Amino acid sequence: DAGITQSPRHKVTETGTPVTLRCHQTENHRYMYWYRQDPGHGLRLIHYSYGVKDTDKGEVSDGYSVSRSKTEDFLLTLESATSSQTSVYFCAISRGGEVYEQYFGPGTRLTVT
Amino acid sequence: DAKTTQPNSMESNEEEPVHLPCNHSTISGTDYIHWYRQLPSQGPEYVIHGLTSNVNNRMASLAIAEDRKSSTLILHRATLRDAAVYYCILVAASGTYKYIFGTGTRLKVLA
Repeated sequence: DAGITQSPRHKVTETGTPVTLRCHQTENHRYMYWYRQDPGHGLRLIHYSYGVKDTDKGEVSDGYSVSRSKTEDFLLTLESATSSQTSVYFCAISRGGEVYEQYFGPGTRLTVT
Repeated sequence: DAKTTQPNSMESNEEEPVHLPCNHSTISGTDYIHWYRQLPSQGPEYVIHGLTSNVNNRMASLAIAEDRKSSTLILHRATLRDAAVYYCILVAASGTYKYIFGTGTRLKVLA
């Protein structure tokens, strides 16, 4: 199994509070991704990183920011959580390249009340 | 990014082969076809990928049409553990390797 962990695994927070989710890898992979998954939908890309301090937006980036200060950690921050951000969040890692797979973490279930 | 189209759901009997189709009519010449599956309450896991030729691995086989506008994931003998949502994804040689997930095919395996 790829060495990828997410923390916390579950979180309940109130509307308007900041929230940070952490993705940690032990594989030294260059690429890291944050997705969200809502009922009835596949995963949607929020942000991704192609190296330390190199990040870019995905298809649903509004309301989210990310940081990657070292290879092994990719942080997703909700500056002011809203109920529409209630979702399951998955982190993924990859060596990069169209022939390499992405390895997904176990997910973080976030509930914003 | 090229999109894929898959049936919403399929059923199969246990120990029978399953053919999961995917249409990708706007695929470009350098796009790879990847398949992932997501078991209940888990993150997606890689199944197989290919470019032009058919591919086999321990989990499944991938049959790619000659014009590459469609592909089929083949599970040779479905088990109850294969019940999952299966996603077909095109991966471009773009430098970002972003995935566009559709809604996938929910496979139900009947005992």
